[in-house]
Amino acid sequence: EIVLTQSPGTLSLSPGERATLSCRASQSVSSTYLAWYQQKPGQAPRLLIYGASSRATGIPDRFSGSGSGTDFTLTISRLEPEDFAVYFCQQCGSSPRTFGQGTKVEIK
Amino acid sequence: QVQLQESGPGLVKPSETLSLTCTVSGGSISSFYWSWIRQPPGKGLEWIGYIYYSGSTNYNPSLKSRVTISVGTSKNQFSLNLSSVTAADTAVYYCARHPTPYTDFDSWGLGTLVTVSS
Repeated sequence: EIVLTQSPGTLSLSPGERATLSCRASQSVSSTYLAWYQQKPGQAPRLLIYGASSRATGIPDRFSGSGSGTDFTLTISRLEPEDFAVYFCQQCGSSPRTFGQGTKVEIK
Repeated sequence: QVQLQESGPGLVKPSETLSLTCTVSGGSISSFYWSWIRQPPGKGLEWIGYIYYSGSTNYNPSLKSRVTISVGTSKNQFSLNLSSVTAADTAVYYCARHPTPYTDFDSWGLGTLVTVSS
C-alpha cells in the first residue's frame, strides 16, 4: 500500500498570502495518478487537481499542482476567504487507492 | 451534471451489517466506476472499494473480508454492505464516480453519517 504523508498538518496564513502544501509518497507514483481535493466542513471533498497538475473543471487558476515521483505540491497563489479548508492528496494508480491525512489551511 | 445521493440507516448495532445505497441521477451508471469512501469523524479518507457497472469489483484489502458492493436492482443504484461492524466503522460514508479504475473521483455524494452503537 502506498502511504501518502502530507505536510504541514496545519498552515496558518492570511488572505492574499501564498500557500504551499506538500504530499510525499512512500513509493513512486506516476503523475497521471495523483489528485488533490478540497474539503470544507460538512461537505464532500471536491476535486481540484488531477494528473498532478491539471485543474478540474471550474477550478480557479490560483490553484496549481506540480511534482513527480514521490514529491508533489499544491500551491494556492493568493488565498481567497473561500480557500480556507482541508486539502487531501490521493493516489489512484495502485490498489488500494490511498489518501493523505490532510492539510488544514486556516486563517491566521 | 451527475448527482449522487447516499441513503440508509444512520444507526447500526455492533456485529450487524451496515447497508447503504447510492442513487445516481442526471446520468447513467453505465461505463463508469463507482466507489465507496468513508471518513471517521475528524479523520481522513479511506477508500472502501469500487464496482464497475457490469458488476466487477475491487476492494480495499483491509476491509475485503467484510465488504460487498453490488449494482442495485434499480438501474441507477449501487449498494454497500459492510458486515460485523464495530464502533471503528462509525464514519461518514460517501459514494463517488470515476471514469476508469485509475482515475480520480470526479463526482461525490454529500455523504451520510453511520454510527455504530448499541
